[in-house]
Amino acid sequence: DVKVTQSSRYLVKRTGEKVFLECVQDMDHENMFWYRQDPGLGLRLIYFSYDVKMKEKGDIPEGYSVSREKKERFSLILESASTNQTSMYLCASSSGTVYSEKLFFGSGTQLSVL
Amino acid sequence: AQSVTQLGSHVSVSEGALVLLRCNYSSSVPPYLFWYVQYPNQGLQLLLKYTSAATLVKGINGFEAEFKKSETSFHLTKPSAHMSDAAEYFCVPLGPGRRALTFGSGTRLQVQP
Repeated sequence: DVKVTQSSRYLVKRTGEKVFLECVQDMDHENMFWYRQDPGLGLRLIYFSYDVKMKEKGDIPEGYSVSREKKERFSLILESASTNQTSMYLCASSSGTVYSEKLFFGSGTQLSVL
Repeated sequence: AQSVTQLGSHVSVSEGALVLLRCNYSSSVPPYLFWYVQYPNQGLQLLLKYTSAATLVKGINGFEAEFKKSETSFHLTKPSAHMSDAAEYFCVPLGPGRRALTFGSGTRLQVQP
């Protein structure tokens, strides 16, 4: 089975801290995605990447950046965490063209910014 | 912009009853459409997908959905609900020009004993 692993299940950070959320997939997938999930708002796409060192902005990229130095790893970076970035963060991966779209999701990281 | 409407943020059914989760899309160009499910404390997973190959699509766990262009709908159904079907369900479009899925707020299904 495809496994998408997010490094932390729960994370508590302070306002202004730089935060790294790590995601690793073990199935050689080309595409990787970062979403955030908030009650009543569903999942919103932050960034995605379809190749190493490639990245594209999603619908809500402000306040975030990403890094993909290796195919299996996709990192989400909060340069200066703010309280409105408290959320559940979900990483996903998929193979082939992005139109195939069977996404495999990680279990999520619940980030609290105090 | 491509979007879908899921009627009802919460749906409650009795165990053994028909499950019907409604999804209507808004576009003159039929998109690809997906149903994803998020079980409690688990990651999201693909339930089924429509990519124009067939209008009736069967998915995992006994679910199916029928694409109806005339009604711009892609409703999710299951003949008999199980307690284990309690979850959040997302109808997700992938319209022309989009390179990634955009999820909406979903429908939470409760199954009463």
